Amino acid sequence: AQKITQTQPGMFVQEKEAVTLDCTYDTSDPSYGLFWYKQPSSGEMIFLIYQGSYDQQNATEGRYSLNFQKARKSANLVISASQLGDSAMYFCAMREGPTGRRALTFGSGTRLQVQP
Amino acid sequence: DTAVSQTPKYLVTQMGNDKSIKCEQNLGHDTMYWYKQDSKKFLKIMFSYNNKELIINETVPNRFSPKSPDKAHLNLHINSLELGDSAVYFCASSQDLGRLGKAFFGQGTRLTVV
Repeated sequence: AQKITQTQPGMFVQEKEAVTLDCTYDTSDPSYGLFWYKQPSSGEMIFLIYQGSYDQQNATEGRYSLNFQKARKSANLVISASQLGDSAMYFCAMREGPTGRRALTFGSGTRLQVQP
Repeated sequence: DTAVSQTPKYLVTQMGNDKSIKCEQNLGHDTMYWYKQDSKKFLKIMFSYNNKELIINETVPNRFSPKSPDKAHLNLHINSLELGDSAVYFCASSQDLGRLGKAFFGQGTRLTVV
């Protein structure tokens, strides 16, 4: 079974508008972390935001926020005030377990295109 | 200063050759990883080392062999390259702490087997 599901292969958004990228996850481990990474066309993987399973508040990093709904097992990324430079692939990922020794499991990604 | 650096960035080689990709991190992290990103952009873990100990070894052909001379370096050696090995290979590192930590990625190595 898929541990991380991103159901939107592609998304379009107008510049300056907000966009939500969906991510659902599947784990029976009570301790886990959820991550979002951005991969622009140049290919590097850029960390955006992190949410721990025990964190009480939704994570925010500048224009990025994570809408964490634990009961629904969803961790959607919200990008506010989209910019042309936000056009990229976005990956949701999860690490299960109480230590950092486990690898990230990635979703299939969402390609976001910001239109002027 | 580059946190996780891998070389080379591009690698074009013929089928049957043996090649290596090198990775170094200067973050003092305990755990390093190799991921493979296929043509559909799907990222999959291959190997993970923690303090030079192999802790994750996914179902990968044994033509792929990781080597970690010390905790700051994790190299990937590939024997008898095949067309299907063409992909982008990412090295990453993370801290091995109780609190889950983010992974830092290298810039990737685009391997093309012809």
